[in-house]
Amino acid sequence: QKEVEQDPGPLSVPEGAIVSLNCTYSNSAFQYFMWYRQYSRKGPELLMYTYSSGNKEDGRFTAQVDKSSKYISLFIRDSQPSDSATYLCAMRYSSGNTPLVFGKGTRLSVIA
Amino acid sequence: GAVVSQHPSWVICKSGTSVKIECRSLDFQATTMFWYRQFPKQSLMLMATSNEGSKATYEQGVEKDKFLINHASLTLSTLTVTSAHPEDSSFYICSARLGGTNTGELFFGEGSRLTVL
Repeated sequence: QKEVEQDPGPLSVPEGAIVSLNCTYSNSAFQYFMWYRQYSRKGPELLMYTYSSGNKEDGRFTAQVDKSSKYISLFIRDSQPSDSATYLCAMRYSSGNTPLVFGKGTRLSVIA
Repeated sequence: GAVVSQHPSWVICKSGTSVKIECRSLDFQATTMFWYRQFPKQSLMLMATSNEGSKATYEQGVEKDKFLINHASLTLSTLTVTSAHPEDSSFYICSARLGGTNTGELFFGEGSRLTVL
């Protein structure tokens, strides 16, 4: 079992839809959780960063962490064509200067 | 936010030659930088962790003699692909963490696309 599982998609939704992206993980030692957006041929851009279980909202984006289920989600409200990208979940352990472990990424297309 | 710059953004080279990719943190000091490789439609795979002033730590399966990493200053890390072969063609991305913090926030460069003919 991989440390971080993420459905690669592709996921296609109409403009204005609510998008739900998810990752599961197997190691309960992961404490920091991030979502990155990556446009084609570009480096990843940090969207959301969370530590504790619960919800964190930033504009149209909501990150949700459920540590008991080892499950994280990213919701995008009122999706726009400009949201079309690959979304990568990432996580790392709590202590030390440790690198991130990434999911495979989910390709999202928002159709106008 | 913090900016990480990579250069070159793309490079084409002949098989057997060496290619150097630079990663700079533009407005902050980065004691640690990470080098990732990404194949088409795949996720980012960590290659090595670069610490300023010390040897890089390589992930299992990554040849340290082939992928030379130098982190000579708090704002610059370089990755040199030595004796490149077509299978080394990939998207190489560096990331940097703000020095002295442990928050987990990484800032990524724009990536460098290497094509080996």
